Formats: sequence, structure tokens, C-alpha cells
Amino acid sequence: GAGVSQSPRYKVAKRGQDVALRCDPISGHVSLFWYQQALGQGPEFLTYFQNEAQLDKSGLPSDRFFAERPEGSVSTLKIQRTQQEDSAVYLCASSLVLGAGNTEAFFGQGTRLTVV
Amino acid sequence: DAKTTQPNSMESNEEEPVHLPCNHSTISGTDYIHWYRQLPSQGPEYVIHGLTSNVNNRMASLAIAEDRKSSTLILHRATLRDAAVYYCILRDKGLRDFGNEKLTFGTGTRLTIIP
Repeated sequence: GAGVSQSPRYKVAKRGQDVALRCDPISGHVSLFWYQQALGQGPEFLTYFQNEAQLDKSGLPSDRFFAERPEGSVSTLKIQRTQQEDSAVYLCASSLVLGAGNTEAFFGQGTRLTVV
Repeated sequence: DAKTTQPNSMESNEEEPVHLPCNHSTISGTDYIHWYRQLPSQGPEYVIHGLTSNVNNRMASLAIAEDRKSSTLILHRATLRDAAVYYCILRDKGLRDFGNEKLTFGTGTRLTIIP
């Protein structure tokens, strides 16, 4: 498809389990973002990649959260030793170019993570 | 990041125009004004953006105040499908340094359309 694709759409994890969330951005998009959205809140920034370089990870809530984009396309967000407060929708977005103030970001449908 | 202020919720009748306000009194000269919306169980969706002049596209219009400290998203004829949370976001040009490419969301305005 032409849009941003995220998988899985839904994930239930037992507390303490590790999870990996995948994002396939639009082909050719340089910028890739991960966001976390708690119920009833706006999306909160987690991290940003420019090609394979992770340029901003200031939003990652703890060292249990790790993101990578090794070849500058597909990205994976990994959460180790999941806790209940990690339950949220995780959104991925991509943008075509740098200097992105004048361009739009395209979002995936998100992965809903529930930690039980 | 410069912040935006929006009403928490608004209601509008179907097939009538909707004006969604946004205040951004600390906007800088290099900030673009972006609007996104999020339908239930979907990721955010781009609506429109502008810098100084009013903008129109197939989805909506964006009216920007002369001093750029406020803006209004205009849906010309609301339908039930326009029921969503609308976010007004300031986004730097991003040409000077990295890290300011991200969109910073607030809580947005929840728009309810009354049939």
C-alpha cells in the first residue's frame, strides 16, 4: 500500500514480557517518528530518525524503550520488561524531506499495546 | 516549542460551517501552522497548513490572523465523517537544526457533529 503500515495492530503482553512494534514508512521518506498515545490524550513524541540516524530520543520514557531503523526504512520500537503503564497506542509517522515545517507527516493506524 | 491553545470541545450541526479556533501568541517567524485531525481508532491525518496567508484545499480552509497569533480552521460544510479531534500544531521550518522536526500535539478540540 501507499501509506504508513504498522504491525501488529493489536498486541497483548504479559507484564515483564518484551515486545517489538514494526513500522513501514512510505518509501523514500527521510524522517520517521514514533509517538505514544494514552487513552484520551494527544500523541506524545518518543523519538525521531533521519534516515538511519536517531537524532532525537528525548521522549523515550525509560531505558526499557529502544528504537532502531538500521537501513533507513523500516523501524522497530522495542519495549523491554513491559509494565502496565506502557499500555497505549504507539503511532509511527513519516515525512518526505528535511526542513519539514512545510511538509505533512503521514501517520500509520497505530499499534494498540495492552499490558496485563 | 511554541504552544497552542484550543477549546476542549465544540459541537456543530451537520451541513453547517464549522470554525475551529487556535491561539498561538508565542509563535515565531519560522513556525508553520499545521492542523491535523484524528478520527476514532485512526492515526492523525493531515488537514492543512500555512505560514502567513490564508490557505484552501479540498478538505478545509485556514484563516491566519495578520499578527499570526491566532488562526481558524474552517470546515465549510460539516458531515458526520468530520467528527474527530482536531489538533493545531506549530512546526518549525526545520532548516536550522535537527530535532525540531517533530510535531508537538496538545489535547486538541473534540468536534461533535449533530445530525
